[in-house]
Amino acid sequence: DSGVTQTPKHLITATGQRVTLRCSPRSGDLSVYWYQQSLDQGLQFLIQYYNGEERAKGNILERFSAQQFPDLHSELNLSSLELGDSALYFCASSVGKGNTEAFFGQGTRLTVV
Amino acid sequence: EDQVTQSPEALRLQEGESSSLNCSYTVSGLRGLFWYRQDPGKGPEFLFTLYSAGEEKEKERLKATLTKKESFLHITAPKPEDSATYLCALSTGFQKLVFGTGTRLLVSP
Repeated sequence: DSGVTQTPKHLITATGQRVTLRCSPRSGDLSVYWYQQSLDQGLQFLIQYYNGEERAKGNILERFSAQQFPDLHSELNLSSLELGDSALYFCASSVGKGNTEAFFGQGTRLTVV
Repeated sequence: EDQVTQSPEALRLQEGESSSLNCSYTVSGLRGLFWYRQDPGKGPEFLFTLYSAGEEKEKERLKATLTKKESFLHITAPKPEDSATYLCALSTGFQKLVFGTGTRLLVSP
């Protein structure tokens, strides 16, 4: 158990809908990262927050947004969902701003039908 | 552009048959190289961090090494429970991890 908690574990929704994925980092970790993993692409970095502020942005679509709350948990919002958004979404956390080992949650498997 | 290439894509070993996985990289400023293990449907599990050429780290049957252009994950006398996908990732100056596509390892009894 990495100490990073993601909910829900599975999510099935229809195209055009909006969903929210939640992540609680390990105790003491200030950074939260979101990654998308699809079968054909591997792990793709989406976005990082550090202590409530956006720190780095990767290949995150405009339909996707995230935030980190004062208690350090984070949410990833996905809207206007398309079939191609079906993937595993992972949250990771680390103590520092970057360049330190990140610990991953078990992921949310999103299926868009 | 920062890039990570892992080889082979898949590797099948007999129990006890030692081998190595390769991670080649190009990066403008390496801040760390990470190895993770990922089981199907699970999140990546952190194994090692290497920061400079010549550095080595060991954990049970695994040993990771780093040169200026590549990293190796050596697996000594593997067991079936070592079967997993092994991922290599770079940490660059942009605070994110750039992952390779992984090596799928299958160890048969």
